[in-house]
Amino acid sequence: RKEVEQDPGPFNVPEGATVAFNCTYSNSASQSFFWYRQDCRKEPKLLMSVYSSGNEDGRFTAQLNRASQYISLLIRDSKLSDSATYLCVVNIRDGGSQGNLIFGKGTKLSVKP
Amino acid sequence: GAGVSQSPSNKVTEKGKDVELRCDPISGHTALYWYRQRLGQGLEFLIYFQGNSAPDKSGLPSDRFSAERTGESVSTLTIQRTQQEDSAVYLCASSPGRVQPQHFGDGTRLSIL
Repeated sequence: RKEVEQDPGPFNVPEGATVAFNCTYSNSASQSFFWYRQDCRKEPKLLMSVYSSGNEDGRFTAQLNRASQYISLLIRDSKLSDSATYLCVVNIRDGGSQGNLIFGKGTKLSVKP
Repeated sequence: GAGVSQSPSNKVTEKGKDVELRCDPISGHTALYWYRQRLGQGLEFLIYFQGNSAPDKSGLPSDRFSAERTGESVSTLTIQRTQQEDSAVYLCASSPGRVQPQHFGDGTRLSIL
């Protein structure tokens, strides 16, 4: 099983739709979780951290399921500007390589008018 | 500005030449990462520096790649005897610590002719 797995997509949705992505991780010792957004030919930018109790930021909701080892990102009322690749990031506090930070390959979202 | 700064933005060079890429992290960030991203691909971890600890070099693809960082300041990534497969965007990121989210620079787009 890969350390961090995401469905590459693309997810093609109409404006106004609700869309959700999942990201599974293999290491049960993972401590911190983030969602990043990367626009075409741009650098990744932090979208939101993922807290144990779940958290919301406007139209975006992030949730963590430790038992099943996955995190999710829900986007409500999709906008054209939400079109991007969404990267799942898992941080292991101790041990592991890659600076304890594992990036998923990303899920591509395309919002159509 | 206060963000991660990378230079040059673009670099075009002939196969076999050496190149040096620079990253200036956010002041006070102890962690610094280098990634490579080929067109349409995910982030590929290269190397990680954390304070004065020995760097995690586990992602360097060959001995042609090396990186240095003095203390918590600027880092340079050097690629010797460049090959065409080295063409990619090289991204640098810094963070306040291991479990903190990263902030990325704009990247250096490297093209090997």
